[in-house]
Amino acid sequence: QKEVEQDPGPLSVPEGAIVSLNCTYSNSAFQYFMWYRQYSRKGPELLMYTYSSGNKEDGRFTAQVDKSSKYISLFIRDSQPSDSATYLCAMTGSTNAGKSTFGDGTTLTVKP
Amino acid sequence: SQTIHQWPATLVQPVGSPLSLECTVEGTSNPNLYWYRQAAGRGLQLLFYSVGIGQISSEVPQNLSASRPQDRQFILSSKKLLLSDSGFYLCAWIQQAPVNIQYFGAGTRLSVL
Repeated sequence: QKEVEQDPGPLSVPEGAIVSLNCTYSNSAFQYFMWYRQYSRKGPELLMYTYSSGNKEDGRFTAQVDKSSKYISLFIRDSQPSDSATYLCAMTGSTNAGKSTFGDGTTLTVKP
Repeated sequence: SQTIHQWPATLVQPVGSPLSLECTVEGTSNPNLYWYRQAAGRGLQLLFYSVGIGQISSEVPQNLSASRPQDRQFILSSKKLLLSDSGFYLCAWIQQAPVNIQYFGAGTRLSVL
């Protein structure tokens, strides 16, 4: 079983929809929870990160972490065609040489 | 501000040829550095990481090697490429703790033919 499981997708939604992207994990030592966005043939770019449990909002994006359930989510409101990309969740603890564990990614397509 | 550079962006190499991919980071010192491979439609596979000059840790046995000759330079190499080495190679860095967030370069797309 993988340490991080990400909903595989792909997802296709109409413009303006609310999108929910989700990951579960098994390692209780994880403290930082990240979401990366990766456009086709580009490197992943950090979208948001959250330390420990709680919510974090940045414009149309909201990241949620529930450490008791070992479950994280990224919500995208009013989705736009420019949001079409692969989204990767990632997690890391405070040690282990800074290595992160990544989900396999969910590919999102927002149709105009 | 910190930036990370990878080159080349695209590379087509014949089977059995050598490989050298370079990654450099600017605007920081003593970063942790990482090499990943991403197969088409797949997640990130950590290949090597380095916490300092000359210090290399390998995550998976394979046909590749890594070196860190300078503080902000990380090189991925192979003496003889295999077809299975094709993929998208990404370099990443983090500043030291406490916030272990990785930042990625633009990647190198390698096709071995």
